[in-house]
Amino acid sequence: EVQLVQSGAEVKKPGESLRISCKGSGYSFTSYWISWVRQMPGKGLEWMGRIDPSDSYTNYSPSFQGHVTISADKSISTAYLQWSSLKASDTAMYYCARLHHDSSGYLYFDYWGQGTLVTVSS
Amino acid sequence: DIQMTQSPSSLSASVGDRVTITCRASQSISNYLNWYHQKPGKAPELLIYAASSLQSGVPSRFSGSGSGTDFTLTISSLQPEDFATYYCQQSYSTPYTFGQGTKLEIK
Repeated sequence: EVQLVQSGAEVKKPGESLRISCKGSGYSFTSYWISWVRQMPGKGLEWMGRIDPSDSYTNYSPSFQGHVTISADKSISTAYLQWSSLKASDTAMYYCARLHHDSSGYLYFDYWGQGTLVTVSS
Repeated sequence: DIQMTQSPSSLSASVGDRVTITCRASQSISNYLNWYHQKPGKAPELLIYAASSLQSGVPSRFSGSGSGTDFTLTISSLQPEDFATYYCQQSYSTPYTFGQGTKLEIK
């Protein structure tokens, strides 16, 4: 069974750093890109970026480029989303999702983690 | 960036109703269009990919159509578990973008 299991909720202060994780199981972790998606309170879904776990190549949305870092450790089938200096506006639910690339070239998020709630407040 | 616009933003319907949600892209995306639904407190779930392909395990009452800039998601006979928020998403080019969502509520 394919699963993406994310790390638990975090409460941080502005300016602090944070890394959250997403561990894949039940499939070949290096065969599928992992994306991160933000959902601010009461709002819609925003794609942040993606990583190819086989070589750690990343691709960011311009809206998030420079604000977060996506990384992966293929030896433990885990992807990460990291902030060096959190802001109150980073308060949101963050989801990881597996990006399926089928034989016809179509891309879609077929499995999602359960979400990690990040709260940034002084 | 490609903008995705859904309509309506919210919709009230009854169990057994046929419901259609539309999604428009700001430029042609061929059929690189996916649909998800999200129930409160849960992660999104894939329903339809490539505009009209039903994801494995998704009930056949869900269907998708369209190509280019205009797409629809249809639920043929609403069930109680279908009341959720629905999102379209383009995978034609990065940054992948989602529609703003359509909240489907019980009438």
